[in-house]
Amino acid sequence: DGGITQSPKYLFRKEGQNVTLSCEQNLNHDAMYWYRQDPGQGLRLIYYSQIVNDFQKGDIAEGYSVSREKKESFPLTVTSAQKNPTAFYLCASRGGTGTYSNEQFFGPGTRLTVL
Amino acid sequence: DAKTTQPPSMDCAEGRAANLPCNHSTISGNEYVYWYRQIHSQGPQYIIHGLKNNETNEMASLIITEDRKSSTLILPHATLRDTAVYYCIVRVANMAAGNKLTFGGGTRVLVKP
Repeated sequence: DGGITQSPKYLFRKEGQNVTLSCEQNLNHDAMYWYRQDPGQGLRLIYYSQIVNDFQKGDIAEGYSVSREKKESFPLTVTSAQKNPTAFYLCASRGGTGTYSNEQFFGPGTRLTVL
Repeated sequence: DAKTTQPPSMDCAEGRAANLPCNHSTISGNEYVYWYRQIHSQGPQYIIHGLKNNETNEMASLIITEDRKSSTLILPHATLRDTAVYYCIVRVANMAAGNKLTFGGGTRVLVKP
């Protein structure tokens, strides 16, 4: 099946450790996104990438880093500089490069808990 | 992108139509209205979008007022599986901005038997 996968669904890390969340899509989409969601809140954009080897900061990029070496992969690293890393992390992708492009498709999310 | 205002929560009876309002009074001419929903602990799911004409698909209908300052998402026959948070998003189709989505608090819809 085509879609977006994020693994693992639940992730636990000790404070001060960097952790990398994976996001893979086989939809042949050019654009990919990372969002963070805190309990009872909407989604906030961390980073996005419109094409391979290019990415831009979103609204809350501090303490995070990304890479886009392959079209199908957009891993997110939560660094020790992120003050409150415990959250639900969602990856999305979007197809097409035209101005009026398609909707974003979301992965199932990874719930990160920093102990 | 224009800001949207939605009621924080609403209840709906199973089998009845659910009408979800959204205000976007500062919407500009090139901004689309998008609706997503998020079932608990899952990723958001696209529902429908429109510019100025009413739209319908297999999931819902979208009614946009003539002045485009508000819209209503209609779930014609709500089921228990429609219980979710529904997000109304107004977005400019601007490639320079990466077609980002800005999510607000949404409306928490509870469908009751």
